[in-house]
Amino acid sequence: QQQVKQSPQSLIVQKGGISIINCAYENTAFDYFPWYQQFPGKGPALLIAIRPDVSEKKEGRFTISFNKSAKQFSLHIMDSQPGDSATYFCAASKRQAGTALIFGKGTTLSVSS
Amino acid sequence: GAVVSQHPSRVICKSGTSVKIECRSLDFQATTMFWYRQFPKQSLMLMATSNEGSKATYEQGVEKDKFLINHASLTLSTLTVTSAHPEDSSFYICSARVTSGGPSNEQFFGPGTRLTVL
Repeated sequence: QQQVKQSPQSLIVQKGGISIINCAYENTAFDYFPWYQQFPGKGPALLIAIRPDVSEKKEGRFTISFNKSAKQFSLHIMDSQPGDSATYFCAASKRQAGTALIFGKGTTLSVSS
Repeated sequence: GAVVSQHPSRVICKSGTSVKIECRSLDFQATTMFWYRQFPKQSLMLMATSNEGSKATYEQGVEKDKFLINHASLTLSTLTVTSAHPEDSSFYICSARVTSGGPSNEQFFGPGTRLTVL
């Protein structure tokens, strides 16, 4: 049973455009929703994260939108750049210490110049 | 963000040998560390949760006798792949969860270890 569903699987965006990646979760006990960026051959790097008590969080060009009633959250990358080309993973976990992240299947983003 | 290191970054071994991978939290203490496995173009699959001073908790389908995990200190966890076979070839990634001085859920990942079993 996949607890975090991520779409699209791949995305091509022109330089300067907006990249949007969506995730949906099933477990209402989840209360931490991070996004990770991964380049080939590297470990994932934490980009931005949100908790369910806010509907939006922005850090630079990256914004998370969170819809608790729909159990959905999304990552928006504004002014997408070729250097943003990577694989993006959404994840979710419970707040309790020792609980692992459950990852979505990932989205491969290509930003064309 | 906090820094997690892994060693080695890449290892090639013969079938039947054992390989040890180290995961260290460099500037913070981590009561809990996690081990993931990632196949090409796939997501991260949790293998086990490693708790300092106690036995690791393995996910369903992961052989605990094959993937030995030791978390002897608050900054070091090791994964030993015993009697490795070609199907164990994969990208192994650890993560550490900040237990003090930061948000309770934040996890930071190591750079990964590419294991190739010939």
